[in-house]
Amino acid sequence: SQKIEQNSEALNIQEGKTATLTCNYTNYSPAYLQWYRQDPGRGPVFLLLIRENEKEKRKERLKVTFDTTLKQSLFHITASQPADSATYLCARTSGTYKYIFGTGTRLKVLA
Amino acid sequence: GAVVSQHPSWVICKSGTSVKIECRSLDFQATTMFWYRQFPKQSLMLMATSNEGSKATYEQGVEKDKFLINHASLTLSTLTVTSAHPEDSSFYICSARVPEASGAGEQFFGPGTRLTVL
Repeated sequence: SQKIEQNSEALNIQEGKTATLTCNYTNYSPAYLQWYRQDPGRGPVFLLLIRENEKEKRKERLKVTFDTTLKQSLFHITASQPADSATYLCARTSGTYKYIFGTGTRLKVLA
Repeated sequence: GAVVSQHPSWVICKSGTSVKIECRSLDFQATTMFWYRQFPKQSLMLMATSNEGSKATYEQGVEKDKFLINHASLTLSTLTVTSAHPEDSSFYICSARVPEASGAGEQFFGPGTRLTVL
């Protein structure tokens, strides 16, 4: 079966540092990987989408990489701020439009 | 980005009653919407794919007679939890897919509905 795993359940970092979150998938490479932010009691908010033929994607302080050899995506937040504290979810495509979500990593940025 | 709304944001009901949750795409037309449920500290689990004008496609293990989905228009999908029981208490989230020419299509999520069945 197609699985997607986010290795760290929780990650604490100091303000100003770069947070790096990991997403690993099994079996064949998905065409796309997406990253979302979810705050408690809220729906996920789309952040970035990266295609399998793209190695890197950036948006302001966010950067996502996609390594089809390692079957891994890394999500970076540079110059992290306490407001970045949230749960971050990665999702892979399954079939045409369906997504399978990872369990998420709870990031806490300490002031 | 595209905006998806859900109503109600929370609902408390008695066991045995039915609850309807609405999902609307506010500024775009969504031929495909998705319904998820999420338990505390767990990820989103896809329940069903809702296609406008046709029957929903349910994931394995999801009872279609329990969770009725109707996608009557390009901007509205509804999920009805029939004869709700305490184990149905969860956070229900819908999403709508924005088609993209390349086929990627981002999903935009609603704010979620907290269902508590007493």
